[in-house]
Amino acid sequence: EVQLLESGGGLVQPGGSLRLSCAASGFTFSSSAMSWVRQAPGKGLEWVSGLSVSGDRTYYADAVKGRFTISRDISKNTLFLQMSSLRADDTAIYYCARDLKGTDYWGQGTLVTVSS
Amino acid sequence: DIQMTQSPSTLSASVGDRVTITCRASQSISSWLAWYQQKPGKAPKLLIYKASSLESGVPSRFSGSGSGTEFTLTISSLQPGDFATYYCQKYNSYPFTFGPGTKVDIK
Repeated sequence: EVQLLESGGGLVQPGGSLRLSCAASGFTFSSSAMSWVRQAPGKGLEWVSGLSVSGDRTYYADAVKGRFTISRDISKNTLFLQMSSLRADDTAIYYCARDLKGTDYWGQGTLVTVSS
Repeated sequence: DIQMTQSPSTLSASVGDRVTITCRASQSISSWLAWYQQKPGKAPKLLIYKASSLESGVPSRFSGSGSGTEFTLTISSLQPGDFATYYCQKYNSYPFTFGPGTKVDIK
């Protein structure tokens, strides 16, 4: 069974940093493209960042480019999202997802709140 | 980047109704389009991929069509569990942009 379990969310002050983790199981993580998708309260889905199958190509939405970094640790089957210079409009549920057939598996999400 | 739009933004319907949602891409994406259903407090669920392929386990009342820049999601006979928000997503290349969503509520 495919499972994606996010962690690392929480309350952070504007300008601060946070690192999200996503533990993957039930599929070959090292052969999978992965993404982070977020959803602000009461709003729609927003694709944030993607990592290629090979792990050597990264992609970012304009809204987070230069502030967020996606990476993975194959030995731990874990995807990461390092977020810095956080702003109030980064407040959202962040989902980890596998990019196959679009996005076929999603985690349950972790809430990031940026507020003073 | 390619932009995605959906119409309508809200749709009021009754159980048993046939429902159609439209998604448009600002440039051709061939058939690289997926549809998702999301219920409050839950992660999205993949319904349709490659414009018209039904994901395993999804009821056959859901269907997708289209290619290029115009796509549709059809629910042939709306069931009580189908009241939700529906999103399209293009995935021909990153960024995997989503449409703004269509909320299907009870008339």
